[in-house]
Amino acid sequence: DADVTQTPRNRITKTGKRIMLECSQTKGHDRMYWYRQDPGLGLRLIYYSFDVKDINKGEISDGYSVSRQAQAKFSLSLESAIPNQTALYFCATSDIVGTGELFFGEGSRLTVL
Amino acid sequence: GQNIDQPTEMTATEGAIVQINCTYQTSGFNGLFWYQQHAGEAPTFLSYNVLDGLEEKGRFSSFLSRSKGYSYLLLKELQMKDSASYLCAVRDAYGGQNFVFGPGTRLSVLP
Repeated sequence: DADVTQTPRNRITKTGKRIMLECSQTKGHDRMYWYRQDPGLGLRLIYYSFDVKDINKGEISDGYSVSRQAQAKFSLSLESAIPNQTALYFCATSDIVGTGELFFGEGSRLTVL
Repeated sequence: GQNIDQPTEMTATEGAIVQINCTYQTSGFNGLFWYQQHAGEAPTFLSYNVLDGLEEKGRFSSFLSRSKGYSYLLLKELQMKDSASYLCAVRDAYGGQNFVFGPGTRLSVLP
């Protein structure tokens, strides 16, 4: 099983619908992140959380919200989806010791029609 | 501001050596990372540099010059499975110590 698990892996929805992407991890890391990836733009940070009581906006947080339900769970919501939110979304975790590299989930491909 | 540049695409031949460059301008610096991403998959960590110089890990090496804001990833003895995108990322030194990613370089290895 993957250390960082995202659900759903694929979702097609309509404009105006509320969507939640969920992320759970078994790595025991305190730090969790949500990124979106668009062709030619690289990975861009949406929100991040360094512990259960900590939530921070990233570069492109408008139109998104998050919830850190537990150390292992970090969910991303789109309250009213719009077509330009069509993208590949990645959840990631990192440790505070060692090199602190990111460990990514398998990605959630979201299409908003 | 934060800016990271990489070539968009590169092509190389199986068995050859390829160098993927990355230049960066960031407000703070706490390490440079390279990730590999195969099409439709998650990025996976390849290498980390925080001090100037070369880090070698098997067929892959990564170099950093902090004064020049420059790094490269060197791939030796290329294999077909090395066809992937290679992402350069800088970790900020301030605030959230977050990662800023470049657009990625798509490498195609030809037989």
